[in-house]
Amino acid sequence: SQQGEEDPQALSIQEGENATMNCSYKTSINNLQWYRQNSGRGLVHLILIRSNEREKHSGRLRVTLDTSKKSSSLLITASRAADTASYFCATDAQGGSEKLVFGKGTKLTVNP
Amino acid sequence: DGGITQSPKYLFRKEGQNVTLSCEQNLNHDAMYWYRQDPGQGLRLIYYSQIVNDFQKGDIAEGYSVSREKKESFPLTVTSAQKNPTAFYLCATGDILTGETQYFGPGTRLLVL
Repeated sequence: SQQGEEDPQALSIQEGENATMNCSYKTSINNLQWYRQNSGRGLVHLILIRSNEREKHSGRLRVTLDTSKKSSSLLITASRAADTASYFCATDAQGGSEKLVFGKGTKLTVNP
Repeated sequence: DGGITQSPKYLFRKEGQNVTLSCEQNLNHDAMYWYRQDPGQGLRLIYYSQIVNDFQKGDIAEGYSVSREKKESFPLTVTSAQKNPTAFYLCATGDILTGETQYFGPGTRLLVL
């Protein structure tokens, strides 16, 4: 059961531009996380935003959460070629589930 | 990838053969997870374990088996009942007490000969 759905599926931009990825989910959550995956590698945790938070920053990353719309966005500012990767959102289920449900991801290509 | 190792990096399976994927961690995390990733897809949960000698089925457990005899180890066996095993398998750990973040190993790519 995949709860998170990222949009767009693929995104190609030039170095220095901003990249925005969106995630929609279906049920109430405790928190939402974003992960990054370089090709053929494991996932790396980027940022976690709780259901009572609306915005969070970490370096060049900005995450927003709108629980009324059941959606989140990840903004990467001043992108670099090294940001090229797939980005996944993951949600837990309200009620303390230890499981995460991952979306299908957005494949970001940053052209030098 | 931190303190999580997965081996082998590539694994080839013959028809009707059982194969076991290794996952070892030194992060002292209680929870361990196995995910399957197909090309261009997200992660689907196969099995997870929160404590030694206990584990639960995920969304796609059929054709797979696991054991959790030690806190550090959570091997996954892909049995002959799994008819479409070709995929990228990811092991993850989590510290239930301190947070919800999961930490991933480098993955094992399983191919069928």
